Amino acid sequence: EVQLEESGGGLVQPGGSLRLSCAASGFTFSSYWMNWVRQPPGKGLEWVANIKQDGSEKYYVDSVRGRFTISRDNAKNSLFLQMNSLRDDDTAVYFCARGEGSNSYNDYWGQGTLVTVSS
Amino acid sequence: DIQMTQSPSSLSASVGDRVTITCRASQSISTFLNWYQQKPGKAPKLLIHAASSLQSGVPSRFSGSGSGTDFTLTISSLQPEDFATYYCQQTYRTPLTFGQGTKVEIK
Repeated sequence: EVQLEESGGGLVQPGGSLRLSCAASGFTFSSYWMNWVRQPPGKGLEWVANIKQDGSEKYYVDSVRGRFTISRDNAKNSLFLQMNSLRDDDTAVYFCARGEGSNSYNDYWGQGTLVTVSS
Repeated sequence: DIQMTQSPSSLSASVGDRVTITCRASQSISTFLNWYQQKPGKAPKLLIHAASSLQSGVPSRFSGSGSGTDFTLTISSLQPEDFATYYCQQTYRTPLTFGQGTKVEIK
């Protein structure tokens, strides 16, 4: 059974940093693109970033480029999102999602972890 | 960036109704269009990929169509468990973008 489990969310002050993790199981992690998608409270979905199977390609939405870094550890079946210089508008539930290719669908999602940026 | 516009933003329907949600892209995206269903407090669930391919395990009352800039999600006979918010997503080009969502409510 494919499972994705996010962790690392919490309350952080503006300008602070947080590192999210996503533990994958039930599939060959190293064979898939992986994505981060976020959802502010009561609002819609926003794609944040994705990363190729070997980590050689990474793409970001403009609003996080230069502040967030996506990475992965295929030996540990784990996906990460390092978030620096956090802003109020980064407050959201962050989901990790498996991708069936760089420009394909997300067929499995974790349950999400809440990041709250507030003073 | 490619903008995705869904209509309507919300709708009220009864069990058994046929429901249609549309999604328009700001430029041609071929068939790089996916549909997701999300219930409150839950992760999105993939329904349709590549505009018209039904994801494994998804009931056949869901169908998708379209190419280029105009796409449609149809629920042929609305069931109680279908009351949720539906999102389209383009994966033609990064940044991958979602529509704003369509909330399907009970009439």
